[in-house]
Amino acid sequence: DIQMTQSPSSLPASLGDRVTITCRASQDIGNYLRWFQQKPGKSPRLMIYGATNLAAGVPSRFSGSRSGSDYSLTISSLESEDMADYYCLQSKESPNTFGAGTKLELK
Amino acid sequence: EVQLVESGGGLVQPGSPLKLSCAASGFTFSSNWLNWIRQAPGKGLEWVASINPDGSSTYYPDTVKGRFVVSKDNAKNTGYLQMNNLRSEDTAMYYCARTGYGYWGQGVMVTVSS
Repeated sequence: DIQMTQSPSSLPASLGDRVTITCRASQDIGNYLRWFQQKPGKSPRLMIYGATNLAAGVPSRFSGSRSGSDYSLTISSLESEDMADYYCLQSKESPNTFGAGTKLELK
Repeated sequence: EVQLVESGGGLVQPGSPLKLSCAASGFTFSSNWLNWIRQAPGKGLEWVASINPDGSSTYYPDTVKGRFVVSKDNAKNTGYLQMNNLRSEDTAMYYCARTGYGYWGQGVMVTVSS
């Protein structure tokens, strides 16, 4: 199975900060990588698909990138509404596998 | 408007079966994959099952393979997750999501406890 190693698990940050969350794939997944945002008590929301493509309605301060087997989600200038849990997901192979998640919180 | 609505959750005893439903509307259900994802209380997301558009192929992780069965009735625009021999570790919020994971339901809680 493909393992997705997500870091950090917790990320304290201040409003206006540039923050980056990373997932490393244990095998080649090409660009079959998605990022989700989840707020307490809510369903996950798709933010990025195809590693770098912004999903509909997602603010442009969010971006996705890839460097080899490392995939990153970056928020260019943190806003209060961005405080949430974030997960990556690989869908290159079955079983699809999620990263363990990153809790983004105010410093 | 795309909608996915799960139902069928509840409290069951270990070893019991339970069948979840996912009612879809606002898109062509027969052309879409259906995925099930769960989240144990306070934990991360875990992919549970996927089924292709015509229902001919299904996929599961080892944690549920042989116990869970995913299906879809394209005539009724509804997907199902039949869960058998439930264990305490299956306690979670269960979500359905369509192709691409761009749309999710609100989730339904399953609690397995004696």
